Amino acid sequence: DTAVSQTPKYLVTQMGNDKSIKCEQNLGHDTMYWYKQDSKKFLKIMFSYNNKELIINETVPNRFSPKSPDKAHLNLHINSLELGDSAVYFCASSPGILGSYNEQFFGPGTRLTVL
Amino acid sequence: AQTVTQSQPEMSVQEAETVTLSCTYDTSESDYYLFWYKQPPSRQMILVIRQEAYKQQNATENRFSVNFQKAAKSFSLKISDSQLGDAAMYFCAYRRITQGGSEKLVFGKGTKLTVNP
Repeated sequence: DTAVSQTPKYLVTQMGNDKSIKCEQNLGHDTMYWYKQDSKKFLKIMFSYNNKELIINETVPNRFSPKSPDKAHLNLHINSLELGDSAVYFCASSPGILGSYNEQFFGPGTRLTVL
Repeated sequence: AQTVTQSQPEMSVQEAETVTLSCTYDTSESDYYLFWYKQPPSRQMILVIRQEAYKQQNATENRFSVNFQKAAKSFSLKISDSQLGDAAMYFCAYRRITQGGSEKLVFGKGTKLTVNP
């Protein structure tokens, strides 16, 4: 049974388009994240939500807008896609800082290619 | 700011041999968590092992163990009896608690491990 799922797994689109990536976790965690992995495999946090509230926003362009309709879902919408947005985007979840089990569980990633 | 450094972009090991991947980090905190994640070609991020800084005992998980040197801020991963399935990117990560009470992982740049048959 999948713990953290993302859709789609692959996304190919043209520059200037708007696209969304969806993430769902069934672990009952309070905190969810978006990470970006660039072409050199470097992973960096973009956003974090705790119980639907944005708590981390790491100097990401305004074209990126996360939305958390409930604590089990965290979606990422990207406007006006640029070539530099091509990357793998990972969703993750964790119990948060109050949780005794401190692992972050990652989704399978979404490979976004902007042409 | 916390940084994580993995000085070996690539490593290779013969099947059944032992390999050690290096990681150093910079922090002014006294209590924190460190992790090693594995990313095989499937790109799924898989937790390999974790270490709590307040525990002096090095963590072990089957063939995986760490050498945690808190004073030196070093956190190396040892893989014993290497198997072909161990071939992957390995990321060292530091769990940082922000001032606002949230947490995030700060990753090193990764080490690509090749296992030769």
